[in-house]
Amino acid sequence: RKEVEQDPGPFNVPEGATVAFNCTYSNSASQSFFWYRQDCRKEPKLLMSVYSSGNEDGRFTAQLNRASQYISLLIRDSKLSDSATYLCVVNSPRSARQLTFGSGTQLTVLP
Amino acid sequence: NAGVTQTPKFQVLKTGQSMTLQCAQDMNHNSMYWYRQDPGMGLRLIYYSASEGTTDKGEVPNGYNVSRLNKREFSLRLESAAPSQTSVYFCASSEVGPPTDTQYFGPGTRLTVL
Repeated sequence: RKEVEQDPGPFNVPEGATVAFNCTYSNSASQSFFWYRQDCRKEPKLLMSVYSSGNEDGRFTAQLNRASQYISLLIRDSKLSDSATYLCVVNSPRSARQLTFGSGTQLTVLP
Repeated sequence: NAGVTQTPKFQVLKTGQSMTLQCAQDMNHNSMYWYRQDPGMGLRLIYYSASEGTTDKGEVPNGYNVSRLNKREFSLRLESAAPSQTSVYFCASSEVGPPTDTQYFGPGTRLTVL
């Protein structure tokens, strides 16, 4: 089983739509969770950290379910500029000093 | 403030050739990392340096060596390149290190080994 699993997509949604991505992780001892965004042929950039109580940043909401070991990202009112690959990131079972990246979910927002 | 810079941006090597990928950060970060990214796979950690003078293996260190030259610079060396090392290589830095710190990535080096 992969340490971090994501649906690769692609998700193609119209502008204004709400879209949700899920990610599952294998290490029940993981403590740190993030969503990174990666534009085509660019470097990853932190989108948001994921906290136990859930957190929101504008149109983006992240949730953590420790019992089921999954993380979700909800994007409301999608914009064309949201088109990117979204990477789920969890601290590694090998070492708390390392991060494990999922392979990403590709989102395309259509006009 | 350039953030994290990497050189070169693109490189083509023949099997068996060697090369060094350079990375520098100007954010006064303590921790630096080298990742590779292959299609269908997440970024995989090759080596990291928690602080100047220290380096540790990541998930896929075989075939690579690193040098933390000073606080700013962290280089990755391929001694004898193999086609399996064709990938996009990203350098990153963070103020302290996982699990809580944001990692800032460079623009990447696209390496092809023939």
